[in-house]
Amino acid sequence: EAGVVQSPRYKIIEKKQPVAFWCNPISGHNTLYWYRQNLGQGPELLIRYENEEAVDDSQLPKDRFSAERLKGVDSTLKIQPAELGDSAVYLCASSLSGGTEKLFFGSGTQLSVL
Amino acid sequence: GEDVEQSLFLSVREGDSSVINCTYTDSSSTYLYWYKQEPGAGLQLLTYIFSNMDMKQDQRLTVLLNKKDKHLSLRIADTQTGDSAIYFCAEINTGTASKLTFGTGTRLQVTL
Repeated sequence: EAGVVQSPRYKIIEKKQPVAFWCNPISGHNTLYWYRQNLGQGPELLIRYENEEAVDDSQLPKDRFSAERLKGVDSTLKIQPAELGDSAVYLCASSLSGGTEKLFFGSGTQLSVL
Repeated sequence: GEDVEQSLFLSVREGDSSVINCTYTDSSSTYLYWYKQEPGAGLQLLTYIFSNMDMKQDQRLTVLLNKKDKHLSLRIADTQTGDSAIYFCAEINTGTASKLTFGTGTRLQVTL
């Protein structure tokens, strides 16, 4: 069974450019998470979806970040415009349901903003 | 908010036991987890413990929980070079909408 798939694996952009990340969760997993991991830090939650509904986006910088999960399966995370401080690894994770279920993580997208 | 603290680095010899420690502040944590992250990869769940337990053993892994001191540890017996990675402690409070809070990670280096 395929795990959580993310693309691209790496992305290098100049500041003020837009960027988008894509995630395909494990089949049947209702809950999808986007995390940001800064160098030398643990992941921090940006947004959590239950099916197509964003149930926790309190940590998402809404002035430049947006996310969608239109059909309750794949999800995209967008940054527009990107800033130097956005350089990080963006991790997608999924679980069967929110709460105490085990989270399965993708390999992440490493973003470098120059 | 919740805070999870870990030491940054641990070096052990192959075959020895490793003990990675974690402290947390949320006394209402219901589950605590250990994740492993290898270079360039996402996080892999190793094990987890419910807050009403004080120990859990899974093959080479032993998790100890001291709820009074809010201290969690992960012991890896017979540490192998393949155990070299960053280990993250995480906690969740099911009363606060299921948000996992991760520590800063402990880098485990296994030497020959």
